Amino acid sequence: GESVGLHLPTLSVQEGDNSIINCAYSNSASDYFIWYKQESGKGPQFIIDIRSNMDKRQGQRVTVLLNKTVKHLSLQIAATQPGDSAVYFCAASSGSARQLTFGSGTQLTVLP
Amino acid sequence: DAGITQSPRHKVTETGTPVTLRCHQTENHRYMYWYRQDPEHGLRLIHYSYGVKDTDKGEVSDGYSVSRSKTEDFLLTLESATSSQTSVYFCAISESQRGREKLFFGSGTQLSVL
Repeated sequence: GESVGLHLPTLSVQEGDNSIINCAYSNSASDYFIWYKQESGKGPQFIIDIRSNMDKRQGQRVTVLLNKTVKHLSLQIAATQPGDSAVYFCAASSGSARQLTFGSGTQLTVLP
Repeated sequence: DAGITQSPRHKVTETGTPVTLRCHQTENHRYMYWYRQDPEHGLRLIHYSYGVKDTDKGEVSDGYSVSRSKTEDFLLTLESATSSQTSVYFCAISESQRGREKLFFGSGTQLSVL
């Protein structure tokens, strides 16, 4: 089966700096990936997704990079703000939503 | 929030008692899911539903049952709660976009079994 893991359980960045959160997956058949943001006491919030036929996708202040060769993806947050403080985790799937496998999360703390 | 409401938001119960968590959605989504979230395991699928009265097991279904008598409501029942079922429970719906299904989550229910 699939396993998904994040490289660092915690990450601290200065306000205004860029943040990079990394994720690795194990199943080479995984072809769809999602990044979620979870604030304390709330449910996971969809941020951005990417399919395996792409290696980069940009959203508002966020970019996801996918390296299928080493089975790695990253989430880049530009000009990190205090409101970005949350747990971020990735999910990978080779098919339907019920096949999504979730990583454990990186706690991002934005320092003033 | 994808029109998902979970109730209750918090629940404390005793070992051996039955507990039912409710998920209500307002946007007529066909698929609904129950997950539990634990620090050491992340999000894991308990059960899911693909229509009224149509449900199936997920990764960690033992000790849980579900029912879906209406499109908008998906109930999760712990027949006899155990301390290992202390967790945060999330309901989710999926939307299909560009050939892939995205999950959108409710706000969760914090369940403590003493």
